[in-house]
Amino acid sequence: GENVEQHPSTLSVQEGDSAVIKCTYSDSASNYFPWYKQELGKRPQLIIDIRSNVGEKKDQRIAVTLNKTAKHFSLHITETQPEDSAVYFCAASMDTGGFKTIFGAGTRLFVKA
Amino acid sequence: GAVVSQHPSWVICKSGTSVKIECRSLDFQATTMFWYRQFPKQSLMLMATSNEGSKATYEQGVEKDKFLINHASLTLSTLTVTSAHPEDSSFYICSAQTGGAFTGELFFGEGSRLTVL
Repeated sequence: GENVEQHPSTLSVQEGDSAVIKCTYSDSASNYFPWYKQELGKRPQLIIDIRSNVGEKKDQRIAVTLNKTAKHFSLHITETQPEDSAVYFCAASMDTGGFKTIFGAGTRLFVKA
Repeated sequence: GAVVSQHPSWVICKSGTSVKIECRSLDFQATTMFWYRQFPKQSLMLMATSNEGSKATYEQGVEKDKFLINHASLTLSTLTVTSAHPEDSSFYICSAQTGGAFTGELFFGEGSRLTVL
């Protein structure tokens, strides 16, 4: 089955700096790669996603890149703010009559003011 | 956006008893729901896929007789932890998809924290 590796497990940046989180997946059939943000005590929420027919997607300060050949995808957050502090999960899934989604281990991001 | 509600948010039970957790989609119909388990400071581990009107599909290593899943309607899936033991203590969270055209976004419930004494 699918296996998703995520690095780093913890990331501390200064406010205004960029943060990059990297993930790899194992199943070449995966075709949908979402990123979720989970604030302390809250439920995970989708922040951005990318499909396998696209190499890059941007939404304001966040962007995601996908390298299908290498089975790598990354989350980039620019101009980080304290409210970006949270746990970020990458995930991989495939549209096979229901998107079974496998998550990475998570990255705890601290943005220092 | 789509709303998923989970109940109870926390439960404490004695070892050997069974606990039922409900997951409801409030403003959409969910043919598929997913149950995850989250350990402290760890990731979301997929336990099973709950399919409306049919048997759940369990992930490898998840005991189907211990974690009973029922998806009797398009808006409700239940997870019953049977004969619970302290090692079953964890945070259980459900999620659902709206089922729109090629959309894989998961909408999560609030989660249920189970403590088995």
